[in-house]
Amino acid sequence: EAGVAQSPRYKIIEKRQSVAFWCNPISGHATLYWYQQILGQGPKLLIQFQNNGVVDDSQLPKDRFSAERLKGVDSTLKIQPAKLEDSAVYLCASSLARSGLAGVHEQFFGPGTRLTVL
Amino acid sequence: AQKITQTQPGMFVQEKEAVTLDCTYDTSDPSYGLFWYKQPSSGEMIFLIYQGSYDQQNATEGRYSLNFQKARKSANLVISASQLGDSAMYFCAMRNSGGGADGLTFGKGTHLIIQP
Repeated sequence: EAGVAQSPRYKIIEKRQSVAFWCNPISGHATLYWYQQILGQGPKLLIQFQNNGVVDDSQLPKDRFSAERLKGVDSTLKIQPAKLEDSAVYLCASSLARSGLAGVHEQFFGPGTRLTVL
Repeated sequence: AQKITQTQPGMFVQEKEAVTLDCTYDTSDPSYGLFWYKQPSSGEMIFLIYQGSYDQQNATEGRYSLNFQKARKSANLVISASQLGDSAMYFCAMRNSGGGADGLTFGKGTHLIIQP
Protein backbone atom coordinates (compact mmCIF):
# COMPACT_ATOMS: atom_id res chain seq x y z
CA GLU A 1 0.00 0.00 0.00
CA ALA A 2 1.43 3.35 -1.03
CA GLY A 3 1.91 5.89 1.73
CA VAL A 4 1.05 9.56 1.88
CA ALA A 5 2.80 11.42 -0.93
CA GLN A 6 3.93 15.04 -0.72
CA SER A 7 5.67 17.37 -3.11
CA PRO A 8 7.91 19.16 -3.38
CA ARG A 9 10.22 17.80 -0.70
CA TYR A 10 12.16 21.03 -0.42
CA LYS A 11 11.35 24.61 -1.34
CA ILE A 12 13.32 27.82 -0.89
CA ILE A 13 11.60 31.15 -1.50
CA GLU A 14 12.05 34.77 -0.56
CA LYS A 15 9.70 36.53 1.83
CA ARG A 16 6.54 37.93 0.29
CA GLN A 17 6.58 35.25 -2.43
CA SER A 18 3.86 32.62 -2.68
CA VAL A 19 4.26 28.86 -2.43
CA ALA A 20 2.05 25.79 -2.73
CA PHE A 21 2.40 22.28 -1.37
CA TRP A 22 0.63 19.18 -2.64
CA CYS A 23 -0.50 16.09 -0.77
CA ASN A 24 -1.95 12.80 -1.99
CA PRO A 25 -3.33 10.73 0.92
CA ILE A 26 -3.50 6.99 1.19
CA SER A 27 -6.20 5.65 -1.10
CA GLY A 28 -9.57 5.53 0.60
CA HIS A 29 -8.62 7.73 3.53
CA ALA A 30 -11.45 10.13 4.21
CA THR A 31 -9.68 12.45 6.62
CA LEU A 32 -6.69 14.62 5.73
CA TYR A 33 -4.61 16.87 7.95
CA TRP A 34 -1.96 19.53 7.40
CA TYR A 35 0.54 20.19 10.18
CA GLN A 36 3.32 22.76 10.52
CA GLN A 37 6.48 21.66 12.32
CA ILE A 38 8.89 24.45 13.21
CA LEU A 39 12.45 23.34 13.98
CA GLY A 40 12.75 22.04 17.52
CA GLN A 41 9.00 21.79 18.11
CA GLY A 42 6.25 19.26 17.70
CA PRO A 43 3.86 19.46 14.76
CA LYS A 44 0.97 21.90 15.02
CA LEU A 45 -2.34 21.23 13.30
CA LEU A 46 -3.24 23.78 10.64
CA ILE A 47 -6.33 22.30 9.04
CA GLN A 48 -8.37 19.09 8.95
CA PHE A 49 -10.58 17.92 6.07
CA GLN A 50 -13.27 15.26 6.11
CA ASN A 51 -13.65 14.30 2.45
CA ASN A 52 -13.70 17.76 0.81
CA GLY A 53 -15.15 19.67 3.76
CA VAL A 54 -13.20 21.57 6.41
CA VAL A 55 -13.64 20.15 9.92
CA ASP A 56 -11.14 22.31 11.82
CA ASP A 57 -9.13 25.31 10.63
CA SER A 58 -8.98 27.17 13.93
CA GLN A 59 -5.16 27.38 13.88
CA LEU A 60 -4.77 28.27 10.22
CA PRO A 61 -3.49 31.85 9.70
CA LYS A 62 -6.20 32.66 7.22
CA ASP A 63 -4.77 36.02 6.20
CA ARG A 64 -1.96 34.22 4.37
CA PHE A 65 -2.64 30.47 4.40
CA SER A 66 -5.28 28.67 2.39
CA ALA A 67 -6.00 25.02 1.71
CA GLU A 68 -8.38 23.03 -0.39
CA ARG A 69 -9.22 19.41 -1.01
CA LEU A 70 -11.09 19.24 -4.26
CA LYS A 71 -12.97 15.99 -4.96
CA GLY A 72 -12.04 14.74 -1.50
CA VAL A 73 -8.70 13.24 -2.51
CA ASP A 74 -5.61 15.40 -3.15
CA SER A 75 -5.03 18.58 -1.19
CA THR A 76 -3.00 21.74 -1.67
CA LEU A 77 -1.78 24.15 0.98
CA LYS A 78 -0.83 27.66 -0.13
CA ILE A 79 1.00 30.48 1.59
CA GLN A 80 0.70 33.99 0.13
CA PRO A 81 2.67 36.05 0.99
CA ALA A 82 5.28 34.06 2.91
CA LYS A 83 7.00 35.39 6.00
CA LEU A 84 10.31 34.41 7.56
CA GLU A 85 8.49 32.67 10.41
CA ASP A 86 6.78 30.32 7.94
CA SER A 87 10.06 28.41 7.59
CA ALA A 88 9.13 24.92 8.73
CA VAL A 89 8.34 21.40 7.61
CA TYR A 90 4.77 21.02 6.40
CA LEU A 91 3.43 17.56 7.09
CA CYS A 92 0.38 16.01 5.52
CA ALA A 93 -1.35 13.10 7.23
CA SER A 94 -4.37 10.97 6.46
CA SER A 95 -6.64 8.69 8.41
CA LEU A 96 -9.06 6.00 7.28
CA ALA A 97 -11.73 6.68 9.86
CA ARG A 98 -14.39 9.32 9.78
CA SER A 99 -13.56 12.17 12.12
CA GLY A 100 -14.82 12.00 15.66
CA LEU A 101 -14.88 8.24 16.11
CA ALA A 102 -13.30 6.68 19.18
CA GLY A 103 -10.49 4.17 18.81
CA VAL A 104 -6.92 4.30 17.59
CA HIS A 105 -7.55 5.53 14.01
CA GLU A 106 -3.90 6.36 13.59
CA GLN A 107 -2.79 9.13 11.33
CA PHE A 108 -0.30 8.20 8.62
CA PHE A 109 2.17 10.94 7.84
CA GLY A 110 3.89 11.86 4.62
CA PRO A 111 7.60 12.73 4.36
CA GLY A 112 6.92 16.45 4.60
CA THR A 113 7.91 19.53 2.63
CA ARG A 114 10.75 21.56 4.10
CA LEU A 115 10.15 25.26 3.41
CA THR A 116 12.87 27.86 3.84
CA VAL A 117 11.86 31.52 3.59
CA LEU A 118 14.79 33.91 3.06
CA ALA B 1 -7.66 23.67 25.57
CA GLN B 2 -5.58 20.53 25.45
CA LYS B 3 -1.90 20.55 26.32
CA ILE B 4 0.94 18.03 26.20
CA THR B 5 4.11 18.49 28.26
CA GLN B 6 7.34 16.61 27.65
CA THR B 7 9.95 17.75 30.16
CA GLN B 8 12.97 15.86 28.84
CA PRO B 9 14.51 17.71 25.89
CA GLY B 10 17.19 15.05 25.47
CA MET B 11 18.23 11.69 26.90
CA PHE B 12 21.29 9.50 26.56
CA VAL B 13 20.79 5.79 27.25
CA GLN B 14 23.08 2.79 26.96
CA GLU B 15 22.13 0.16 24.43
CA LYS B 16 19.99 -2.69 25.84
CA GLU B 17 18.81 -0.62 28.79
CA ALA B 18 15.17 0.26 29.29
CA VAL B 19 14.17 3.89 28.89
CA THR B 20 11.16 5.88 30.05
CA LEU B 21 10.05 8.99 28.20
CA ASP B 22 7.80 11.27 30.22
CA CYS B 23 4.55 12.80 29.06
CA THR B 24 1.89 14.66 31.00
CA TYR B 25 -1.29 16.02 29.54
CA ASP B 26 -4.10 18.38 30.38
CA THR B 27 -7.65 18.19 29.09
CA SER B 28 -11.17 18.73 30.34
CA ASP B 29 -12.62 16.11 28.01
CA PRO B 30 -13.56 12.78 29.59
CA SER B 31 -12.84 10.96 26.32
CA TYR B 32 -9.47 11.31 24.67
CA GLY B 33 -6.71 9.35 23.02
CA LEU B 34 -2.99 9.48 23.61
CA PHE B 35 -0.38 8.63 21.00
CA TRP B 36 3.37 8.27 20.78
CA TYR B 37 5.18 8.91 17.51
CA LYS B 38 8.83 8.42 16.58
CA GLN B 39 10.56 10.82 14.20
CA PRO B 40 13.98 9.66 12.96
CA SER B 41 16.41 12.12 11.41
CA SER B 42 14.88 11.35 8.02
CA GLY B 43 11.79 13.23 9.16
CA GLU B 44 8.90 10.81 8.80
CA MET B 45 6.50 10.39 11.73
CA ILE B 46 6.09 6.76 12.75
CA PHE B 47 3.16 5.69 14.92
CA LEU B 48 4.24 3.62 17.92
CA ILE B 49 1.41 3.13 20.39
CA TYR B 50 -2.05 4.33 21.40
CA GLN B 51 -3.94 4.55 24.70
CA GLY B 52 -7.61 5.40 24.97
CA SER B 53 -8.83 7.21 28.08
CA TYR B 54 -11.29 4.41 28.88
CA ASP B 55 -8.89 1.55 28.23
CA GLN B 56 -8.57 -0.55 31.35
CA GLN B 57 -5.12 -1.89 30.62
CA ASN B 58 -1.90 -0.18 29.64
CA ALA B 59 -1.15 -0.48 25.93
CA THR B 60 1.75 -2.60 24.71
CA GLU B 61 3.25 -3.01 21.24
CA GLY B 62 6.31 -5.21 21.09
CA ARG B 63 9.13 -3.42 22.94
CA TYR B 64 6.91 -0.39 23.55
CA SER B 65 4.56 -0.02 26.48
CA LEU B 66 2.62 2.93 27.77
CA ASN B 67 2.49 3.58 31.51
CA PHE B 68 -0.91 5.26 31.74
CA GLN B 69 -1.74 6.91 35.07
CA LYS B 70 -5.04 8.63 34.52
CA ALA B 71 -5.32 10.31 37.92
CA ARG B 72 -1.88 11.86 37.46
CA LYS B 73 -2.59 12.67 33.80
CA SER B 74 0.59 10.99 32.67
CA ALA B 75 1.26 8.68 29.73
CA ASN B 76 4.91 7.70 29.80
CA LEU B 77 6.44 5.61 27.01
CA VAL B 78 8.65 2.73 28.08
CA ILE B 79 11.05 1.17 25.59
CA SER B 80 12.52 -2.11 26.74
CA ALA B 81 15.93 -3.37 25.62
CA SER B 82 16.82 -0.24 23.68
CA GLN B 83 18.58 -0.54 20.33
CA LEU B 84 20.76 1.83 18.34
CA GLY B 85 17.91 2.25 15.86
CA ASP B 86 15.75 3.72 18.60
CA SER B 87 17.74 6.95 18.42
CA ALA B 88 15.22 9.57 17.27
CA MET B 89 12.83 12.29 18.40
CA TYR B 90 9.81 10.99 20.29
CA PHE B 91 6.55 12.90 20.45
CA CYS B 92 3.61 12.42 22.76
CA ALA B 93 0.30 13.60 21.32
CA MET B 94 -3.34 13.86 22.29
CA ARG B 95 -6.24 13.59 19.94
CA ASN B 96 -8.44 16.64 20.00
CA SER B 97 -12.15 16.14 20.32
CA GLY B 98 -15.32 18.04 19.75
CA GLY B 99 -17.38 18.51 16.64
CA GLY B 100 -15.61 15.75 14.80
CA ALA B 101 -12.27 17.56 14.94
CA ASP B 102 -9.63 15.03 15.89
CA GLY B 103 -6.31 16.52 14.90
CA LEU B 104 -3.41 15.83 17.25
CA THR B 105 -1.86 18.19 19.79
CA PHE B 106 1.83 17.36 20.14
CA GLY B 107 4.38 17.97 22.86
CA LYS B 108 7.78 19.46 22.11
CA GLY B 109 9.40 16.06 21.96
CA THR B 110 12.33 14.22 23.54
CA HIS B 111 15.52 13.58 21.61
CA LEU B 112 16.63 10.07 22.55
CA ILE B 113 20.17 8.96 21.78
CA ILE B 114 21.13 5.33 22.29
CA GLN B 115 24.83 4.82 22.94
CA PRO B 116 26.68 1.56 22.15
